[in-house]
Amino acid sequence: GAVVSQHPSWVICKSGTSVKIECRSLDFQATTMFWYRQFPKQSLMLMATSNEGSKATYEQGVEKDKFLINHASLTLSTLTVTSAHPEDSSFYICSASRGESSGNTIYFGEGSWLTVV
Amino acid sequence: AQTVTQSQPEMSVQEAETVTLSCTYDTSESDYYLFWYKQPPSRQMILVIRQEAYKQQNATENRFSVNFQKAAKSFSLKISDSQLGDAAMYFCAYRSYNNNDMRFGAGTRLTVKP
Repeated sequence: GAVVSQHPSWVICKSGTSVKIECRSLDFQATTMFWYRQFPKQSLMLMATSNEGSKATYEQGVEKDKFLINHASLTLSTLTVTSAHPEDSSFYICSASRGESSGNTIYFGEGSWLTVV
Repeated sequence: AQTVTQSQPEMSVQEAETVTLSCTYDTSESDYYLFWYKQPPSRQMILVIRQEAYKQQNATENRFSVNFQKAAKSFSLKISDSQLGDAAMYFCAYRSYNNNDMRFGAGTRLTVKP
């Protein structure tokens, strides 16, 4: 079964509102999680690295005030898209590393489709 | 920064035949990991195969094998006895040895013809 779970799988929100996407590691602790964005027919682009107990590290060009990341516990990271606009509509996917004892295996969540109307 | 290049946007193969997907990468690091991921229409990322750069032996997983050429920074995926279920987007990915974030290529859409 899935070891990294995202919720919700699908979300539609109105332009100007905020929406939160959760990424959970189900049976392991993840000090670091990663958030990616994937536009239709394109590759995964790393948005930010989510660090438990500290600020996220954002990739160049990603607005940190727009894409708020909170990694409050070792099993949960959240991505909040603030003041969403139609151009924020995309597929968002997270990943987490299981740790050195598991060969630092990376697990991906199922992804979340965001549609801003 | 590391970059990953997949020069084949689309590939097609006849069922039961063999197909090779290309991937090159650029890095100044000596230790790293390389991956091939499959992404079906469900969008779930499925690990196909993984290669540690320090290993000279090419990784193999059943019908999937890689040709890892470290000096040439090339990492191609060979799919033997292609099946209809192999049809998907395939992404080549790079990961530093000391960092867990991944860099992905643009992807190759594989079509399998019956």
